[in-house]
Amino acid sequence: AQSVTQPDIHITVSEGASLELRCNYSYGATPYLFWYVQSPGQGLQLLLKYFSGDTLVQGIKGFEAEFKRSQSSFNLRKPSVHWSDAAEYFCAVGARRNTGGFKTIFGAGTRLFVKA
Amino acid sequence: EAGVTQFPSHSVIEKGQTVTLRCDPISGHDNLYWYRRVMGKEIKFLLHFVKESKQDESGMPNNRFLAERTGGTYSTLKVQPAELEDSGVYFCASSHGTSGIRDNEQFFGPGTRLTVL
Repeated sequence: AQSVTQPDIHITVSEGASLELRCNYSYGATPYLFWYVQSPGQGLQLLLKYFSGDTLVQGIKGFEAEFKRSQSSFNLRKPSVHWSDAAEYFCAVGARRNTGGFKTIFGAGTRLFVKA
Repeated sequence: EAGVTQFPSHSVIEKGQTVTLRCDPISGHDNLYWYRRVMGKEIKFLLHFVKESKQDESGMPNNRFLAERTGGTYSTLKVQPAELEDSGVYFCASSHGTSGIRDNEQFFGPGTRLTVL
């Protein structure tokens, strides 16, 4: 079955420190992978996506993620966290459906707290 | 180009009442999806329209939920009667095509936060 696991429910980092949010997926075919962010009171914003090619993907707001097929992982990183990065982060996989088209399967989310 | 819009942004209703959520997809997108996130859980797929047809409604929780997409443009999701466990954030997404992943990249709306008291 297709699934996405984000093992950390919440993480706290100091402003200026580096960040890594973990994501593991289970999917039988080539995965299409996404990271979304939801700030308080806001909708889902796409940070970055991986379809094919270079396994290190650059996104918005200084985020990057690396696809590692051998580890079934797609961890999100940022070298220096800003207070405005405090939000909830969702890893997701695009799964092809038997009836056609795709649906997005989300992880449970990781809430990031940033301390001064 | 306007993104996916949803209305209302927030809705607070009492148990037993009816609520209708609306989603306007990106113009020209044939595919429209509904997802929801109930408190503390992951965001889950509800259903998928291709134009005005329901392609997959396997994620709809029960028959109190009714989704429509008349004319293949905007969609409504009605909850009748609402129960406490329906509280959560309802997201809508749209995508252009069905053949490949790039055509099927889903663009999400801001969500409607539903609170049932």
